[in-house]
Amino acid sequence: SQTIHQWPATLVQPVGSPLSLECTVEGTSNPNLYWYRQAAGRGLQLLFYSVGIGQISSEVPQNLSASRPQDRQFILSSKKLLLSDSGFYLCAGLRDRQGTQYFGPGTRLLVL
Amino acid sequence: KNQVEQSPQSLIILEGKNCTLQCNYTVSPFSNLRWYKQDTGRGPVSLTIMTFSENTKSNGRYTATLDADTKQSSLHITASQLSDSASYICVVSYGGSQGNLIFGKGTKLSVKP
Repeated sequence: SQTIHQWPATLVQPVGSPLSLECTVEGTSNPNLYWYRQAAGRGLQLLFYSVGIGQISSEVPQNLSASRPQDRQFILSSKKLLLSDSGFYLCAGLRDRQGTQYFGPGTRLLVL
Repeated sequence: KNQVEQSPQSLIILEGKNCTLQCNYTVSPFSNLRWYKQDTGRGPVSLTIMTFSENTKSNGRYTATLDADTKQSSLHITASQLSDSASYICVVSYGGSQGNLIFGKGTKLSVKP
């Protein structure tokens, strides 16, 4: 079965510091991968999605970037974190052709 | 504007009772609608998925309905259990692109003993 791994589970970072969140997938090859952010009291917001190595689509302009260095690795980064970057970050993969996604456990980021 | 609205925002029920969560959408062209369950601090897990031609879909004690004419969906939970306490998220996909998903803000359900 397909499994998404994310780490760390929780992260507290000062404003202006860099960020690197990692997502890895097992149980499938060449998956479509997604990064979402869930702010408190708000719905999931799609940040980036990738259909393959080196292929990144950005959904919203922001302070973040994403990279797909390997087939089963998807990284979310920032050079300088803002307070507004705080939230719950979820990595997801595509389960089936109907578009159902399976999600990782998430990383809770708090920027102070 | 493509939107997904869920109601109520939060709900408290007693264990063993039934409840119904609502999802209204203005998404075009409609592709399919999913309900996810998200436990606190965890990633969402898919419960059901319905396409335009499907009116109802069940998954154990969860039954989802879809009225494509009125653009409404509901998730009915029967004989609630404490483990049903979670946020329930309605997600509508549109067009043919993999990235075209609109997430509702979710309904937070608390089941009390």
